[in-house]
Amino acid sequence: NAGVTQTPKFQVLKTGQSMTLQCAQDMNHNSMYWYRQDPGMGLRLIYYSASEGTTDKGEVPNGYNVSRLNKREFSLRLESAAPSQTSVYFCGHGSPGTSFREQYFGPGTRLTVT
Amino acid sequence: TQLLEQSPQFLSIQEGENLTVYCNSSSVFSSLQWYRQEPGEGPVLLVTVVTGGEVKKLKRLTFQFGDARKDSSLHITAAQPGDTGLYLCAGGRYGGSQGNLIFGKGTKLSVKP
Repeated sequence: NAGVTQTPKFQVLKTGQSMTLQCAQDMNHNSMYWYRQDPGMGLRLIYYSASEGTTDKGEVPNGYNVSRLNKREFSLRLESAAPSQTSVYFCGHGSPGTSFREQYFGPGTRLTVT
Repeated sequence: TQLLEQSPQFLSIQEGENLTVYCNSSSVFSSLQWYRQEPGEGPVLLVTVVTGGEVKKLKRLTFQFGDARKDSSLHITAAQPGDTGLYLCAGGRYGGSQGNLIFGKGTKLSVKP
């Protein structure tokens, strides 16, 4: 899985519950990302972190918060889950080269909010 | 907003056929990546093209970056059932944060034996 560990693999939440998705990479890359993937929508960027200590909003950040705990770990938190957040969440990390911008993804967390 | 349009959205073919998938935009990209995603897995990087007009081959897969760096194509020769999956293109944006990509919505390919 391209050096990425995501936990949990599956999760079911009730509306209003909170949870944190964990991600760790072992390739010593500076950049890390959180995406969501919905049917017919491709991958949409939620938040990214260009380096330890920095985070920025992506295309769909509402309802989410992130923490770049250290160079290896980047977590995604849902404070009050909503059914619209039912999705598959992918964590990724980026190659150090600024030109190519390649990204490598974990196996995903499948989240259902009822 | 920069968009990457992929076509076709779905493709179902018989083993041995050839196919081409397209990725188009009105924006210029610094690089273009192609990923393949199998059910229940994350996307896996296949190739990166960075020069306008560049052609890269990966066994039976041929990738091309348009001369103007706005579009790309993926051609598969003699498709096999193992090629089945979701193919995603992603463009690297100029400026912005390192590693920032725009993804297309994908082409779902099914190759029947």
